[in-house]
Amino acid sequence: AQSVTQLDSHVSVSEGTPVLLRCNYSSSYSPSLFWYVQHPNKGLQLLLKYTSAATLVKGINGFEAEFKKSETSFHLTKPSAHMSDAAEYFCVVSDSNTGNQFYFGTGTSLTVIP
Amino acid sequence: NAGVTQTPKFRILKIGQSMTLQCAQDMNHNYMYWYRQDPGMGLKLIYYSVGAGITDKGEVPNGYNVSRSTTEDFPLRLELAAPSQTSVYFCASSYLLNVNQPQHFGDGTRLSIL
Repeated sequence: AQSVTQLDSHVSVSEGTPVLLRCNYSSSYSPSLFWYVQHPNKGLQLLLKYTSAATLVKGINGFEAEFKKSETSFHLTKPSAHMSDAAEYFCVVSDSNTGNQFYFGTGTSLTVIP
Repeated sequence: NAGVTQTPKFRILKIGQSMTLQCAQDMNHNYMYWYRQDPGMGLKLIYYSVGAGITDKGEVPNGYNVSRSTTEDFPLRLELAAPSQTSVYFCASSYLLNVNQPQHFGDGTRLSIL
């Protein structure tokens, strides 16, 4: 069965400091992994995706994520937080066994302190 | 470019009333999805469709119905609204039955059942 665990429900960082949002997954097959961001009263926007190519994935707005199969992790990072990064972040997994279904983590709320 | 459009953005219903949440996409995507998002939770799949005339249940289908008469539209119907259906509803679409393809989301419909 597929599942996603976001290890922190809430993360606070100071503006200009690094961001780390943690995600672990379980999948019986080669997974595809995604990070989405959701700003207040908005839909989800794709930040980046891993689809069995390079394990270090670069996304929009300076975000990166590294796929580590041995650790079943796909943590999201950014070197320097900006106020506009404050939002809810979702880690999502899918694989060939789920067909057209995607499984969402419960989300991490990021607060950026000026 | 509109992407995925959901209407209405907000709605308050009385218990037992019915309504249809509208979703339209202009990207010629085969796959469309309905999710609900409850506070502190990830997105749960209600129904999905792999093309016009074809729909299937997701994780939480009870109390909902869908239809897909065209590629563009995927309405979600609540027949007898219950307080447990108070949630934010998101429609999404994707291009192919391919786990590498990300989903595109609408801005959501915020529904309260009183």
